Amino acid sequence: DARVTQTPRDKVTEMGQEVTMRCQPILGHNTVFWYRQTMMQGLELLAYFRNRAPLDDSGMPKDRFSAEMPDATLATLKIQPSEPRDSAVYFCASGLVGGGRAVGEQFFGPGTRLTVL
Amino acid sequence: SQKIEQNSEALNIQEGKTATLTCNYTNYSPAYLQWYRQDPGRGPVFLLLIRENEKEKRKERLKVTFDTTLKQSLFHITASQPADSATYLCALDRTSGGSYIPTFGRGTSLIVHP
Repeated sequence: DARVTQTPRDKVTEMGQEVTMRCQPILGHNTVFWYRQTMMQGLELLAYFRNRAPLDDSGMPKDRFSAEMPDATLATLKIQPSEPRDSAVYFCASGLVGGGRAVGEQFFGPGTRLTVL
Repeated sequence: SQKIEQNSEALNIQEGKTATLTCNYTNYSPAYLQWYRQDPGRGPVFLLLIRENEKEKRKERLKVTFDTTLKQSLFHITASQPADSATYLCALDRTSGGSYIPTFGRGTSLIVHP
């Protein structure tokens, strides 16, 4: 049963510390998404990779956030330095995009609950 | 500006009734629309996708309609059960640099009472 995995599941850190979240997409999927979910804002897209290349990161605060895909089996989201307002659940999702470039079904991971004190 | 609107108030219905959830949008011309289910503490799970040239799509007890003139999608669950209680999210694509970028609504909570 193929699944998207995320680590860590929970992270508590202090303001100013670096936070790295990891995601293993489903093998064979060519798209990876990072989302942030809060009660106030709902599910916001932070970054979108297709074939490991970044396609859209317009929703990501560039000064402190960065997203990478060092290889097809790993996506990372890094926050440096972290701030209390970054507290949220961060989801990774993967999927397949065909020639029409339309995003179909996304498979979400269980999320990383981040608390910045 | 682009907006996706889902009712922020929870929908409470009795078991066995049909639940109808609404997704309205403005300033989008989506090629397709998706519905997801999210349970507390878990990631969203895909339910249905409907394309702009489709009026209706069904899957078991689920039915989705897509009216591009009204800019609205309706999501129906017939013969609802307490296990259907969850938050339901709609998602549209927006175009950016020749690609389709998914955007989610904030979701509507459904509570089915036994």
